[in-house]
Formats: sequence, C-alpha cells, structure tokens
Amino acid sequence: QQQVKQSPQSLIVQKGGISIINCAYENTAFDYFPWYQQFPGKGPALLIAIRPDVSEKKEGRFTISFNKSAKQFSLHIMDSQPGDSATYFCAASVSGNTPLVFGKGTRLSVIA
Amino acid sequence: EAGVTQSPTHLIKTRGQQATLRCSPISGHTSVYWYQQALGLGLQFLLWYDEGEERNRGNFPPRFSGRQFPNYSSELNVNALELEDSALYLCASSEVNEQFFGPGTRLTVL
Repeated sequence: QQQVKQSPQSLIVQKGGISIINCAYENTAFDYFPWYQQFPGKGPALLIAIRPDVSEKKEGRFTISFNKSAKQFSLHIMDSQPGDSATYFCAASVSGNTPLVFGKGTRLSVIA
Repeated sequence: EAGVTQSPTHLIKTRGQQATLRCSPISGHTSVYWYQQALGLGLQFLLWYDEGEERNRGNFPPRFSGRQFPNYSSELNVNALELEDSALYLCASSEVNEQFFGPGTRLTVL
C-alpha cells in the first residue's frame, strides 16, 4: 500500500528556532513531493514542493531537503514565528497531476 | 485570480440521508480532486475528475460518487449517510502539477 509516514505528530518550538518535520515514503514511483500548511477551519495551502532531481529547495524561511536513497524528505522552517503555528502535511504523488498521498500531519506550535 | 470555491460551508444531515457538495475550480484548471479529512485520519483521496471523466477513485464505498460538469465544476454525492462520514470534505483543482485546495465543506451526520 502506498504510504507516507510523517513525524513528529506534534512539535513545540521557541520563536526564532528551527522547526523540522520529517517524512518517509515507500513507493519509488513517487516523483512529486509537496508540503501543505493548514490553519484551523481552512483548506490546506501549498507551501513548497520538490522533485527528486534536486536535494534541496528553499523558498524564504522554508526549505525542503530530499534524500532519494533513503526515501525521505523533510521541511525546515527557519526563524519560526508564532504565525507559523499550524498543521503541516507532507504528500507525494506520481508525476504531479495524480492523487496525492498525504502524511498524517504535524501540529506545530511556535511559542514566544 | 479567484481560488477554489466550495459550497456549502457547513452541512448537517441525519443518518441515511443524501448529501451533495459542490466545487468550482480555479479558472483554467481541468482537474478536480476530492479528499476527505476526518478527525485523526488525515487527508484521504476520494475521487479525481479530469475533462469530465472520472480518472481514479480512492478506497471508499460506491455510495460516494460525483461528476464533473462541462465548465469543470464538480459535485460530490454521498448516499445513505453514516455517522462516520462526518468530516471536512476538500476539493482541489490542478492544471499540471500543483493542487490548490478550497476551504472545504464541513459535513456533520447526526
């Protein structure tokens, strides 16, 4: 069964610190790995995405690191802010425009 | 540019009834995906429509069905509602790679 395993389930980080969320996948056919941010009562918003041909992608304070051999990828949030407090989901799909398989989410709380 | 819209925002039904949820994709997007976000279960893929055709469905019973209209909007129908169908139903539209989600419809089954 196609699975994406996400950890940790919840994370508390001090303001200004680095938040790190990890995901692992099984299906080697996956070639598109997005991260979504979801606030309570809202739909998930696409944050950043990566393909296996690069090992890292950075957009502002958000960085995805990708390890193809280990079948793992992670989201780093630098200089974490209270406004980053949300649930983060990793996902994976085959060739982009196909259904996403989601991790179970990480609830991030950034405290001052 | 307008995002993905969904209606209604909230829907309350009783067990055994039918529910109809609607989604309008981003202009120019031809693919629509439906996902169920139930408490503790994360987001689970339900149905995928592209160019008016059902392309794939997730591991859900046949009482979950839908369609896509010529203008690419879509509706999700859930028949014979059960208590465990209570969830946030999310619609996403896609043109090539990225999927953009709407705000969801919160379905409560009593």
